[in-house]
Amino acid sequence: QSVLTQPPSASGTPGQRVTISCSGSRSNIGGNTVNWYQQLPGTAPKLLIYSNNKRPSGVPDRFSGSKSGTSASLAISGLQSEDEADYYCASWDDSLNGWVFGGGTKLTVL
Amino acid sequence: EVQLVESGGGLVQPGGSLRLSCEASLFTLSSFGLNWVRQAPGKGLEWVSYISRSSSAIYYADSVKGRFTISRDNAKNSVYLQMNSLRAEDTAVYYCAREAGWGTVHYLNWFDPWGQGTLVTVSS
Repeated sequence: QSVLTQPPSASGTPGQRVTISCSGSRSNIGGNTVNWYQQLPGTAPKLLIYSNNKRPSGVPDRFSGSKSGTSASLAISGLQSEDEADYYCASWDDSLNGWVFGGGTKLTVL
Repeated sequence: EVQLVESGGGLVQPGGSLRLSCEASLFTLSSFGLNWVRQAPGKGLEWVSYISRSSSAIYYADSVKGRFTISRDNAKNSVYLQMNSLRAEDTAVYYCAREAGWGTVHYLNWFDPWGQGTLVTVSS
């Protein structure tokens, strides 16, 4: 059971906009920033969004993040086939004194 | 391109030990904290351990506390994870990940880059 809660799956057709939610508590998302990681099949995770809503260089602006209270969201607009991957949210947890991850959301492009 | 390279994974019997290494390439690891994150087959990501730049701050997940030890040798640009009393549930790909952002202010930081991972299999 992951500390952060994500839907196990999401899907959309090419060109569509999809959102992935991430729910936590005051000890993690509620007081700290949220990061998102993308894991393409058979590869290592890669930073996608940091500090709630910032994109590293090289990440398309189709990807955006937001945070409100104890929840965060990742939005992907103009969905493309290469976006098919697992997406994980993460945050520091003050009570556990460690990093916590969501269980991951498998995105399928139909 | 800055990168991290893990090594040391393999097959080990329950109760056995293994030492993983993470070496930095094209950047000075001593300027950053470093984390180990693992992923069991077909499962999600699980944070394992953190070590600060000077080794003054070390944290572990409850699932490995007392069995795993993280350490670093800045002269060798490397971080290590000594894993003892291994269990079947420790079977996973182990990734090292640089903690970037604001030093030891974890709640503002993020992981970038990640290594390619090394597979640890605990089985008789």
